[in-house]
Amino acid sequence: DQQVKQNSPSLSVQEGRISILNCDYTNSMFDYFLWYKKYPAEGPTFLISISSIKDKNEDGRFTVFLNKSAKHLSLHIVPSQPGDSAVYFCAASGGNSGGSNYKLTFGKGTLLTVNP
Amino acid sequence: EPEVTQTPSHQVTQMGQEVILRCVPISNHLYFYWYRQILGQKVEFLVSFYNNEISEKSEIFDDQFSVERPDGSNFTLKIRSTKLEDSAMYFCASRGLAPYEQYFGPGTRLTVT
Repeated sequence: DQQVKQNSPSLSVQEGRISILNCDYTNSMFDYFLWYKKYPAEGPTFLISISSIKDKNEDGRFTVFLNKSAKHLSLHIVPSQPGDSAVYFCAASGGNSGGSNYKLTFGKGTLLTVNP
Repeated sequence: EPEVTQTPSHQVTQMGQEVILRCVPISNHLYFYWYRQILGQKVEFLVSFYNNEISEKSEIFDDQFSVERPDGSNFTLKIRSTKLEDSAMYFCASRGLAPYEQYFGPGTRLTVT
């Protein structure tokens, strides 16, 4: 059941360049999307999110773009830094109808390596 | 900065034994979650907990699993009779009033032999 897909298991970029991580989803009930970063031996750390009523959200070097018609979102990191090297998870939530759950459905993750 | 903590960091147990994984959520959070990640696979939702009861559970969360908030700070996941396929990283998460942004602990690596 791959409701959230990250088709690139890994990505390698040079320091200072742009990193673009992609995510696709199939469940049209999803209305909120999040990106988490994970270092080895640590839990996922919230990075940035976007509601389905928006198509872009920016926070410093990180920007998330949402294309609802294509059921696609992407995370842009500009400029990329070696400290950004980590696994990036795309996650989605939705269809909660006002309930208190808001569980997250995750993709498999993309390992980003930023080379000095 | 407040953070979610989990103990132990690594638990090794024999098949059929009971294990309890412990979590201390962020103090003013009211919504609690357990997720797990089997090696090489995605992070999967197990259960959500609010107001001292389960609000949703996945198909994975069968009768062998239970959760409890025994006091005002701890949130536990119990597996009554562990199986080899329970070997995974277990993450606890909590959130406050912001509906979607969950904060994760560092995880407990459970190894069932």
